[in-house]
Amino acid sequence: GAVVSQHPSRVICKSGTSVKIECRSLDFQATTMFWYRQFPKQSLMLMATSNEGSKATYEQGVEKDKFLINHASLTLSTLTVTSAHPEDSSFYICSAREGRANTEAFFGQGTRLTVV
Amino acid sequence: EDKVVQSPLSLVVHEGDTVTLNCSYEVTNFRSLLWYKQEKKAPTFLFMLTSSGIEKKSGRLSSILDKKELSSILNITATQTGDSAIYLCAVLRRGGADGLTFGKGTHLIIQP
Repeated sequence: GAVVSQHPSRVICKSGTSVKIECRSLDFQATTMFWYRQFPKQSLMLMATSNEGSKATYEQGVEKDKFLINHASLTLSTLTVTSAHPEDSSFYICSAREGRANTEAFFGQGTRLTVV
Repeated sequence: EDKVVQSPLSLVVHEGDTVTLNCSYEVTNFRSLLWYKQEKKAPTFLFMLTSSGIEKKSGRLSSILDKKELSSILNITATQTGDSAIYLCAVLRRGGADGLTFGKGTHLIIQP
C-alpha cells in the first residue's frame, strides 16, 4: 500500500507552547488528508478533513483556532496545536487518500503528544 | 449522529482458534465499511466492503457486509500470536466531509 509519513512520532512540550505535526504522502498525491485523535483505550475520533489548497473542515466540537490545519501541497498537511495544555495530550494520527472518496485511506504512524 | 458499535470489546483465545468479530452501524448515507488492524501505532488497512453479501478474503482473514442488518463480521481462522491487535471497524459516508467514523475496536489477544 501507499506510504504516509508522520513526524514527529513523539513530542513533549510545555504548556502554552505550540507544536506542529507533519503528515506527508510519500508515493502518491493526497487530495484529501484527515486528522484524528485517539485517547487511551478509545477509538480514533475525526478532528478535521483537509483538501489541498482550501480551508479544512472541522468536526463539531473541534476548535479551529486551537488546531490549525494547513494542506499547502498535494503531499503535505500540517496540524499545529496552539497554546497547548495538558488536556491536549493525546495520540494524533493522520491519514491520506489519493483520489475518489470510495478508496482506502492510508494512515501515518501517529504522534504521541505530551504537554507538561 | 453516526454510530459504529463493535463487539466484543475484548477477546482472548488460544492459537489455532477461529474468531469472529462483529461491527454494526447506524450511519446516514452509508458508502462503505472498512476494517483496520492496529498494533502499536498506525492502523493498517484490511478490507473495504461496499456491496452486501460479497465475501472479501485475504489469507486467513475474511469479511462480509450485510446491508440489511447494517452489520459486518471479520473472521480470522487458525489464529496466530501475530494476530493479537486491536481490530477497528469504520464507516464512510457519501458526501460531506468524508472522514471515517470508527468503532471502539475489539482488542484481540491470542495466547500461545
